[in-house]
Amino acid sequence: DSGVTQTPKHLITATGQRVTLRCSPRSGDLSVYWYQQSLDQGLQFLIQYYNGEERAKGNILERFSAQQFPDLHSELNLSSLELGDSALYFCASSLRDGPNTGELFFGEGSRLTVL
Amino acid sequence: GQNIDQPTEMTATEGAIVQINCTYQTSGFNGLFWYQQHAGEAPTFLSYNVLDGLEEKGRFSSFLSRSKGYSYLLLKELQMKDSASYLCAVKSGAGSYQLTFGKGTKLSVIP
Repeated sequence: DSGVTQTPKHLITATGQRVTLRCSPRSGDLSVYWYQQSLDQGLQFLIQYYNGEERAKGNILERFSAQQFPDLHSELNLSSLELGDSALYFCASSLRDGPNTGELFFGEGSRLTVL
Repeated sequence: GQNIDQPTEMTATEGAIVQINCTYQTSGFNGLFWYQQHAGEAPTFLSYNVLDGLEEKGRFSSFLSRSKGYSYLLLKELQMKDSASYLCAVKSGAGSYQLTFGKGTKLSVIP
């Protein structure tokens, strides 16, 4: 158990819909990262938050948005869903930010299926 | 751009040694990670190299050559539970933490 909690574990929805994925980082970790993993791709970095502020952006679509709240939990919002958005979405956390951050701790992931 | 290459699949025998290679071309380098991921589960941290050389951790060792953009993960005394995907990831970006992952190497350990 990494200490990172993600909900829901599984989600099935239809194209055009909107969903919210939730992540609680390890106790004391200030950085939260979102990754997308689809069958034919590796883990794709989406976005990072550090202590409530956006820190880095990766290959995140405009239809996706995220935020980190004062209690440090984070939400990833996916809208106007398309079939290609079906994937495993991982949240990870780390204590600090910057080059000497150390390892990332990953949650169990939220599996999104868009029908 | 960022490019990380690793073999897609490998098969090895229980009790043997296997080496999983990773080559990378990235803009910026602040270290290389190896993660293990069982199917449908979260990646878990195995090792971290930031300087050239070999880091040993029990049955697992990881090597880095920054000048060659090359790393390998060495697994000794393979066990059936080592069947998993092994992800190579490079940390880059000045100031902020970004991990770029390879697509992973699926290792199958056979009796």
